[in-house]
Amino acid sequence: GDSVTQMEGPVTLSEEAFLTINCTYTATGYPSLFWYVQYPGEGLQLLLKATKADDKGSNKGFEATYRKETTSFHLEKGSVQVSDSAVYFCALTETARQLTFGSGTQLTVLP
Amino acid sequence: GAVVSQHPSRVICKSGTSVKIECRSLDFQATTMFWYRQFPKQSLMLMATSNEGSKATYEQGVEKDKFLINHASLTLSTLTVTSAHPEDSSFYICSAPPAGNSYEQYFGPGTRLTVT
Repeated sequence: GDSVTQMEGPVTLSEEAFLTINCTYTATGYPSLFWYVQYPGEGLQLLLKATKADDKGSNKGFEATYRKETTSFHLEKGSVQVSDSAVYFCALTETARQLTFGSGTQLTVLP
Repeated sequence: GAVVSQHPSRVICKSGTSVKIECRSLDFQATTMFWYRQFPKQSLMLMATSNEGSKATYEQGVEKDKFLINHASLTLSTLTVTSAHPEDSSFYICSAPPAGNSYEQYFGPGTRLTVT
């Protein structure tokens, strides 16, 4: 079955540091890939997505590129802010309905 | 963007009682909605798929008699936790893909259930 593996957290960075959160996946077909963000006490918000190989999703300074050859979708941001502190989930869907989530990575950005 | 609401946002109930959680799509129709459960510092676990006009589809290991799902209309799904116990305390999140959009899902803000 499908699965998503994220780098384990927690991740603690200083403001303006570079962020990478690794995500790799296993799927039988050609999934769509997502990054969701969850702020404390809230539901999930879609951060970015990519629907086919070599697509780059981007939003709010975050980027991730769909790499079919390495089955990866790593999240990056060049300069993090305190307000980026949250839990980040990598996810995929093949069925166009059901999402498979990674375990989540807690990010804390210190001023 | 599309909005999904949940009500209540927090609920505390006594052991043995039942609690209903509502999930509404506010500006789009959703023939399907998903219910997830999230334990502290863990990922989301899909509990069931709610289908408008038909029975819900439950994931393996989820008791359908304990977690009753009703998809009453194209904008409303409800999850009722029956005879709640402390181990049912969790964060429950629903999501809905807009009809006709295969890949987007919009998540509700979640409901924190505490059973005492």
